[in-house]
Amino acid sequence: GESVGLHLPTLSVQEGDNSIINCAYSNSASDYFIWYKQESGKGPQFIIDIRSNMDKRQGQRVTVLLNKTVKHLSLQIAATQPGDSAVYFCAEPGPDAGNMLTFGGGTRLMVKP
Amino acid sequence: SAVISQKPSRDICQRGTSLTIQCQVDSQVTMMFWYRQQPGQSLTLIATANQGSEATYESGFVIDKFPISRPNLTFSTLTVSNMSPEDSSIYLCSVEKGEGEPQHFGDGTRLSIL
Repeated sequence: GESVGLHLPTLSVQEGDNSIINCAYSNSASDYFIWYKQESGKGPQFIIDIRSNMDKRQGQRVTVLLNKTVKHLSLQIAATQPGDSAVYFCAEPGPDAGNMLTFGGGTRLMVKP
Repeated sequence: SAVISQKPSRDICQRGTSLTIQCQVDSQVTMMFWYRQQPGQSLTLIATANQGSEATYESGFVIDKFPISRPNLTFSTLTVSNMSPEDSSIYLCSVEKGEGEPQHFGDGTRLSIL
């Protein structure tokens, strides 16, 4: 297996429960945020994004919440499944002009059957 | 989303050698990027691959160590030069199809230097 996620904070949940993964961002001027899921041996996979003019956005089993006041982002996964086990990263635009992304440190989600 | 293929998927290399990683996309994209992901860590942008001109490097990364090419809108290469064990990492290509669209990633190249 891959070493990605070895030193990352870990969230352990029971299958069927809801998961909440949190992310604090630093740039109050950021206007766009993305959540990625990275499974072992794979690249980050786009899950959902949100723009700063929204507080909430829902996808299939996932919801992203944005609190601009405290610069906090969360990803909620409903009815967590074993296939949700992965490392989750939030990302925001980098500090410089251009399309670069700055990634958060990541959280490892482990789903117990 | 675009299908992104990276080659090789993994390699084990000798210290002092160089390796070129390829990134091929199945459709034209506006932006291509190269990231590094060191063991147990998050992703760090190395550079933006610009078509027809020199890549734009982030702080801490230089062209002599990580030369990048982007000859067209679907292909880019990253070379890791004069490798040392500290270069052992996952190298990831990402693409952005258009303005305001999210970046999508390849599955990466897992590089180990002995």
